[in-house]
Amino acid sequence: DSGVTQTPKHLITATGQRVTLRCSPRSGDLSVYWYQQSLDQGLQFLIQYYNGEERAKGNILERFSAQQFPDLHSELNLSSLELGDSALYFCASSVQSTGDNEQFFGPGTRLTVL
Amino acid sequence: GENVEQHPSTLSVQEGDSAVIKCTYSDSASNYFPWYKQELGKGPQLIIDIRSNVGEKKDQRIAVTLNKTAKHFSLHITETQPEDSAVYFCAAGRDDKIIFGKGTRLHILP
Repeated sequence: DSGVTQTPKHLITATGQRVTLRCSPRSGDLSVYWYQQSLDQGLQFLIQYYNGEERAKGNILERFSAQQFPDLHSELNLSSLELGDSALYFCASSVQSTGDNEQFFGPGTRLTVL
Repeated sequence: GENVEQHPSTLSVQEGDSAVIKCTYSDSASNYFPWYKQELGKGPQLIIDIRSNVGEKKDQRIAVTLNKTAKHFSLHITETQPEDSAVYFCAAGRDDKIIFGKGTRLHILP
């Protein structure tokens, strides 16, 4: 158990809808990362927050947005969903903001868009 | 842009044999090279990492080597066991980013 929690575990929705994925980092970790994992696509970095502020942006679509709240939990919002958005979404946390530190991954949210 | 290439994408080895996974990176400023293991239905978990001031690191059956000049690093698993079956990701990190490889699916054959 990494100490990172993600809810929900599974999400099934229809095209055009909007969903929110939630992540609680490990106690004491200030940094939260979001990744998308599709079949055979590895881990695609979406966005990073550190202590409430956006720190880095990866290949995140404009239809997607995220935020980190004062209690350090984070939410990833996906809107106008398309079939291609079906994937595993992972959240990871780390103590520091830099990319040269261990990240602890949550169990993921499996999103299915029908 | 910067990228990390990982090979092979799939690897099957006989139980008890060794497995080697290789990665190359393009950003010479990278100074942190972790390896993550992802078991079915779970998130990736760090199994070993190495920093740029070290050429090799070992932890029981797992070892990682780094060649900074050639910009490549490798994961070596010796005496493979069934529980080693998983997807392995390499990554290259620096102060402002970390980039993951596409993963290697390792099958341990009985």
